[in-house]
Amino acid sequence: SQQGEEDPQALSIQEGENATMNCSYKTSINNLQWYRQNSGRGLVHLILIRSNEREKHSGRLRVTLDTSKKSSSLLITASRAADTASYFCATHNNAGNMLTFGGGTRLMVKP
Amino acid sequence: NAGVTQTPKFQVLKTGQSMTLQCAQDMNHEYMSWYRQDPGMGLRLIHYSVGAGITDQGEVPNGYNVSRSTTEDFPLRLLSAAPSQTSVYFCASSLQGPAPAFFGQGTRLTVV
Repeated sequence: SQQGEEDPQALSIQEGENATMNCSYKTSINNLQWYRQNSGRGLVHLILIRSNEREKHSGRLRVTLDTSKKSSSLLITASRAADTASYFCATHNNAGNMLTFGGGTRLMVKP
Repeated sequence: NAGVTQTPKFQVLKTGQSMTLQCAQDMNHEYMSWYRQDPGMGLRLIHYSVGAGITDQGEVPNGYNVSRSTTEDFPLRLLSAAPSQTSVYFCASSLQGPAPAFFGQGTRLTVV
């Protein structure tokens, strides 16, 4: 079973708008990460947030983590057509050495 | 640095055939893993290794074997291919522990 579930499953926006994706998970975590996957390619690591952190920024990316609600969000500001991709959250739980991925959000940014 | 290299990129197998998917990394990472990705879904962990000589099962290990004789290589063996193993397979590595992970470009496998 998948630890993380992304919401929405698909998102379509205009270039310049902000995109927000949410991730919920079930068990205690060590950290949570977000990855991007362009069509037909491997995943690329975007950002990691530890369980004792609440917010993290990297360029146009902002990630929040609420461990009490077991949820995280990824905000992409001022989106570009090149941001079109699938975005996955992944959790590293405290129990072991595994990374568990959610089903992903497919983002389309229209020029 | 080449990063994580997977071969082959595409493969078609007949039911019952066996084959090995190759994965190599040149970053001296201790942790390596194999995932499968089915259409419209996230990745599911097949097997992982925390270092040379050590492997363990992930979420969906049945029908697959792995070994880790060197730090660099982590091959995935399909013992007797089945249509249900049609998928895209990704190998990943990370310095210590499963994250952050560097992924290969994937192997698209079709079993007919």
